Amino acid sequence: AQTVTQSQPEMSVQEAETVTLSCTYDTSESDYYLFWYKQPPSRQMILVIRQEAYKQQNATENRFSVNFQKAAKSFSLKISDSQLGDAAMYFCAYRITTTYSQGGSEKLVFGKGTKLTVNP
Amino acid sequence: DAGVTQSPTHLIKTRGQQVTLRCSPKSGHDTVSWYQQALGQGPQFIFQYYEEEERQRGNFPDRFSGHQFPNYSSELNVNALLLGDSALYLCASTRQGHYEQYFGPGTRLTVT
Repeated sequence: AQTVTQSQPEMSVQEAETVTLSCTYDTSESDYYLFWYKQPPSRQMILVIRQEAYKQQNATENRFSVNFQKAAKSFSLKISDSQLGDAAMYFCAYRITTTYSQGGSEKLVFGKGTKLTVNP
Repeated sequence: DAGVTQSPTHLIKTRGQQVTLRCSPKSGHDTVSWYQQALGQGPQFIFQYYEEEERQRGNFPDRFSGHQFPNYSSELNVNALLLGDSALYLCASTRQGHYEQYFGPGTRLTVT
C-alpha cells in the first residue's frame, strides 16, 4: 500500500531564512506524481509544487524547490527567503491512479503534515 | 473564473442525524473528489465521481454516499452521524486526464 510519511510535526524558521520539510513515501510504481500542498489557517488547500517521477530534474517554483530522490523515495520541500505568509500546514501527497478497466480514477494520499512557523 | 466552492461553511449536527454537503467544481472541471480531514491529520480520500458515477472509494463505511449531477456539481451525504465524523470535509475538482486537483475551502462539520 502506498503511504506518505512526514516525520516533522512542527518546524520553525526565521524570516528570510531557508527551511526544508521532509517527506518519504512508499510505492511499487515507477511513474507517479508527488505534490506539496499548503494549508493556511483559512483551510484552503493550495498546491505549492509538483514533481513527475519520470523527470530527473527537481521542480522549482519561485522560492519553493524540491529535492526528489527517487531511489530513496524521498521528496523534500525547500523554502528559500521565508516570508510570514509562508506560515501554514504543509502536506506532502502522492497521486495514485487506476486503469480505465478499474474505473479510471485517481486519488491523493497525504502525509500527516508539518506545521511551519515563520518568526519575524 | 470561480474556483471550487463548498457549502455550507460550518455545520453542527447531533449524533444519529443525516447531513448533506455540497460542492461546485472549478469551471471546466468534470471530476470531483471528497476528502475527510480530522483535526491534526492529513486529508483522507472518501470517493471520486466522474460522469455521475462513483469511480473509486476509500476506506469509508456505506454511511458515506455521494452523487454527481449533470452540471458536475456533487453532494456528500453522511447518515447516522457519529461523533467521529466531526471533521473538515474537502472537495477537490479536476479535469479528467489532468493531474492537478483544486481544493475548495471545506465544510467544518461538528457532531455533538
